[in-house]
Amino acid sequence: NAGVTQTPKFQVLKTGQSMTLQCAQDMNHEYMSWYRQDPGMGLRLIHYSVGAGITDQGEVPNGYNVSRSTTEDFPLRLLSAAPSQTSVYFCASNSPEGNTEAFFGQGTRLTVV
Amino acid sequence: DAKTTQPNSMESNEEEPVHLPCNHSTISGTDYIHWYRQLPSQGPEYVIHGLTSNVNNRMASLAIAEDRKSSTLILHRATLRDAAVYYCILRNNTNAGKSTFGDGTTLTVKP
Repeated sequence: NAGVTQTPKFQVLKTGQSMTLQCAQDMNHEYMSWYRQDPGMGLRLIHYSVGAGITDQGEVPNGYNVSRSTTEDFPLRLLSAAPSQTSVYFCASNSPEGNTEAFFGQGTRLTVV
Repeated sequence: DAKTTQPNSMESNEEEPVHLPCNHSTISGTDYIHWYRQLPSQGPEYVIHGLTSNVNNRMASLAIAEDRKSSTLILHRATLRDAAVYYCILRNNTNAGKSTFGDGTTLTVKP
């Protein structure tokens, strides 16, 4: 079982460039979410999805877009990268019930110069 | 959504028990108490969860106060590999897709 797979693992962007962070899960989970983690800080929710075609904003959505066309994939798009978006990004998936565990990917370390 | 409060950091000696506290005074009756940990340079991983009763698994134990306003994650014998950031979060059937994490507790284990 691969679980939650994020690509790429590392990325360097120039200010103003755009890119897509990929996230795929093979557990048929309805829920998927994106977090960012700045150095020495906890995780902050960017966007989440409760099913294919349904997305919503989290705590820090500005500068990011998401879409969910399939159950398996939940890409995160940076429209115009800024140095403030330098962070480690984590994708998670889980079932809808509150008594089920969430599974996280290994993260994408993004640096914007 | 109810929030949790954890100490920023704790220290423990190797092979001693560790009790990591979490306060959640505004917890609702349908909230499950979850604990996750994040090892250095890795994504968070599930540790344990519970609703009302104390829970044990191979990784840890979870002690839940009778009024459910606080809980304690217990590592029975800390090892150096347990050094991590530990997060306490609340999840229910309506917010399971948008869990919010605080800064967690950074556990340092001394040899």
